[in-house]
Amino acid sequence: EVQLVESGGGLVQPGGSLRLSCVASGFTFSTYWMSWVRQAPGKGLEWVANINHDGGEKYFVDSVKGRFTISRDNAKNSLYLQMSSLRAEDTAVYYCARDRYMVRGHVTSDSTFDIWGQGTVVTVSS
Amino acid sequence: DVVMTQFPLSLPVTLGQPASISCRSSQSLVHSDGNTYLNWFQQRPGQSPRRLIYKVSNRDSGVPDRFSGSGSGTDFTLKISRVEAADVGVYYCMQGTHWSYTFGQGTKLEIK
Repeated sequence: EVQLVESGGGLVQPGGSLRLSCVASGFTFSTYWMSWVRQAPGKGLEWVANINHDGGEKYFVDSVKGRFTISRDNAKNSLYLQMSSLRAEDTAVYYCARDRYMVRGHVTSDSTFDIWGQGTVVTVSS
Repeated sequence: DVVMTQFPLSLPVTLGQPASISCRSSQSLVHSDGNTYLNWFQQRPGQSPRRLIYKVSNRDSGVPDRFSGSGSGTDFTLKISRVEAADVGVYYCMQGTHWSYTFGQGTKLEIK
């Protein structure tokens, strides 16, 4: 079964840090880009960051640039989001989602956000 | 960033009746590779989002054929031919053509 399982959420004070993890199973993790998407309480979906299949390319939404980093460990089928200088507005459910994939050296976007994890809750509050 | 605008934001529908959600982008979603990366997602209450449609009109595996997507350029539509109770939730369009990915505000479908 294709699956993504997030962990690492919790309550953190403003200015603090948190590291989220996402473990993938049921597919060849190392051939897919991966993304983090968040949803503030009662709000819509917001793409946060993504990383290419080998970790060499990383992209972020403007509101988290310089504060969040994304990384992956293909040997462990794992994706990470390191969040620092956290603000109240970062409070959200954070989902990892499968993104683009590599086929014969080319990137295709047919798989963008076709698989989602269950989400992990991050609360930034004093 | 490309702005995605959905309407209506609230959609009360009688069981068995059709429903339609519109999504408009602030610029064309035709990619340089010729594809249009416009996806539709369903989020049932308390659940993670689920992709229904990719590249405008392609249904994902397991998605009932009551769901269909259409459109081109900047104007897109998700249609449900006969609404069932399981369709209650929020529906989002999303573009993957331009950096960064952006979602519509969401349309809340409820049973009248």
